[in-house]
Amino acid sequence: EAGVVQSPRYKIIEKKQPVAFWCNPISGHNTLYWYRQNLGQGPELLIRYENEEAVDDSQLPKDRFSAERLKGVDSTLKIQPAELGDSAVYLCASSLSSRDRGGYTFGSGTRLTVV
Amino acid sequence: SQQGEEDPQALSIQEGENATMNCSYKTSINNLQWYRQNSGRGLVHLILIRSNEREKHSGRLRVTLDTSKKSSSLLITASRAADTASYFCATRGQNFVFGPGTRLSVLP
Repeated sequence: EAGVVQSPRYKIIEKKQPVAFWCNPISGHNTLYWYRQNLGQGPELLIRYENEEAVDDSQLPKDRFSAERLKGVDSTLKIQPAELGDSAVYLCASSLSSRDRGGYTFGSGTRLTVV
Repeated sequence: SQQGEEDPQALSIQEGENATMNCSYKTSINNLQWYRQNSGRGLVHLILIRSNEREKHSGRLRVTLDTSKKSSSLLITASRAADTASYFCATRGQNFVFGPGTRLSVLP
């Protein structure tokens, strides 16, 4: 079974440009998470989806970040326009449900560098 | 803000030695989990301990949980060079909250 798939693995863009990340969770996992991980830090939650509904986006910088999860499967995270401080690894994770007390399955992440 | 705090921030040991990492947290939890992250990769789930459990084993891993002190420890016995990675504790309330991690280096 394929794990959580993210693309691209790496992205280098100039500041003020837009960028998008894509995530395909494990089949059957209803809950999807986007995390941002700065260098030397632990992941921080940006947004959590239950199926296609964003149920926790309190940490998402809504002036420049947006996300969608059409049909409750794949998800896209977008930044427009990107700033230097957005350089980080963006991780996607999924679980059966938010009530699932087990662990998350993470993708390999997208490493974003804004220059 | 991150609830879990790992200690130490970095740890360097020789192959064959045991590695102990600690995690402290602030609020009540449903469970606590440990993850490993190899450089440039995603996080891999290692072990989960529930709030009503005190100790759990998985292969060379031993996790303890002391809810009265709001702390947990991860012990890796007979470490190998392949154990070199960052280790994160994650506390489960409504969402997972990760600590900043411990960077473990196992020298051959």
